Amino acid sequence: NAGVTQTPKFRVLKTGQSMTLLCAQDMNHEYMYWYRQDPGMGLRLIHYSVGEGTTAKGEVPDGYNVSRLKKQNFLLGLESAAPSQTSVYFCASSGLAEQETQYFGPGTRLLVL
Amino acid sequence: GQNIDQPTEMTATEGAIVQINCTYQTSGFNGLFWYQQHAGEAPTFLSYNVLDGLEEKGRFSSFLSRSKGYSYLLLKELQMKDSASYLCAVLDSNYQLIWGAGTKLIIKP
Repeated sequence: NAGVTQTPKFRVLKTGQSMTLLCAQDMNHEYMYWYRQDPGMGLRLIHYSVGEGTTAKGEVPDGYNVSRLKKQNFLLGLESAAPSQTSVYFCASSGLAEQETQYFGPGTRLLVL
Repeated sequence: GQNIDQPTEMTATEGAIVQINCTYQTSGFNGLFWYQQHAGEAPTFLSYNVLDGLEEKGRFSSFLSRSKGYSYLLLKELQMKDSASYLCAVLDSNYQLIWGAGTKLIIKP
């Protein structure tokens, strides 16, 4: 039981490049989330999903897209990376029975030059 | 707007007790969470309060006063491994988690 995993752990991009971050959970959770964490700021929600095939915008969605084609996977895409997207990205999931408690992946550290 | 305030940094001594405060102003309230985050790691769940009062879980306790928009996390018998950031988060009326910036707790021998 791996919980929530994220790929890759670390990535360096040049401005304008694109990439996809992968999140996978093996807890059969309905809800999945993508956050970014920047120094001195709280976690900020980028996008979230309340079930397979559904996605919704969070607090800071601009410059990101997501997909939830399978219940266990939640992908975060950066179409054209910008230095402002340098951050640590966390994926989280939660179940219907305990909707509120979120379980986090180990994070992806992204540096955009 | 929605706002969660907690101290940026606190220092305490091993074996002592420390209280980390959190005040919030949010659109609705469906519960308050405390998470622990060690440097370079993911946040992990500590506690959840939705009713007023104190919830005790081993060395850690969490208190909530909804009328005051206030919570605290109490850590007893501090250990070096408790050095971490402690994140306060409120579940608002849309069941979205609003996060504070976190309190970095430094434990000295």
